[in-house]
Amino acid sequence: EDKVVQSPLSLVVHEGDTVTLNCSYEVTNFRSLLWYKQEKKAPTFLFMLTSSGIEKKSGRLSSILDKKELFSILNITATQTGDSAVYLCAVRSGNTPLVFGKGTRLSVIA
Amino acid sequence: GAGVSQSPSNKVTEKGKDVELRCDPISGHTALYWYRQRLGQGLEFLIYFQGNSAPDKSGLPSDRFSAERTGGSVSTLTIQRTQQEDSAVYLCASSLGLATLYEQYFGPGTRLTVT
Repeated sequence: EDKVVQSPLSLVVHEGDTVTLNCSYEVTNFRSLLWYKQEKKAPTFLFMLTSSGIEKKSGRLSSILDKKELFSILNITATQTGDSAVYLCAVRSGNTPLVFGKGTRLSVIA
Repeated sequence: GAGVSQSPSNKVTEKGKDVELRCDPISGHTALYWYRQRLGQGLEFLIYFQGNSAPDKSGLPSDRFSAERTGGSVSTLTIQRTQQEDSAVYLCASSLGLATLYEQYFGPGTRLTVT
């Protein structure tokens, strides 16, 4: 059974800190790994990763995939209160829909 | 509109009643997905539609749940004889296709509360 595990489940940091969120997976036919930010109800897309070792970057957020060790990390530098959200990792295996992890709840306090 | 829309945004119903949740995908998107998210939990896949193919219903938790997609566009998720454990946010997403590496765009969700 395909599985996606995120850690930590929750995290509290101060503004300006750097955080690293982890996502490990076990799937039968890996196609891609996606990161989403969920603030209220609808997740919003952050990154899609398909190749190992290639960093994707958007502003203060960056992510990288390791297909050998079956994990990905999402880094957020110089955190702001607006970064407070649940960050979801999802993996696409073969032609199946995405399998989501339970998410990491990030709280950034001023 | 440019995004996925869902209605209603909130629904409160009594245990045992039937409910219908609606999803309007992005125009031109052939794939449509329904997910459920219970409080504090991750997204749980329910069902997806891809073009004219038979839907993948493997995630539906019981036979009280069903979904239709008419004309390859609008979809309705129906929950019959609702139970309290059905309380959750129901999210719909659409994408250009399924078999390739397309991003899913999510709607705002419907928060269902069964009392």
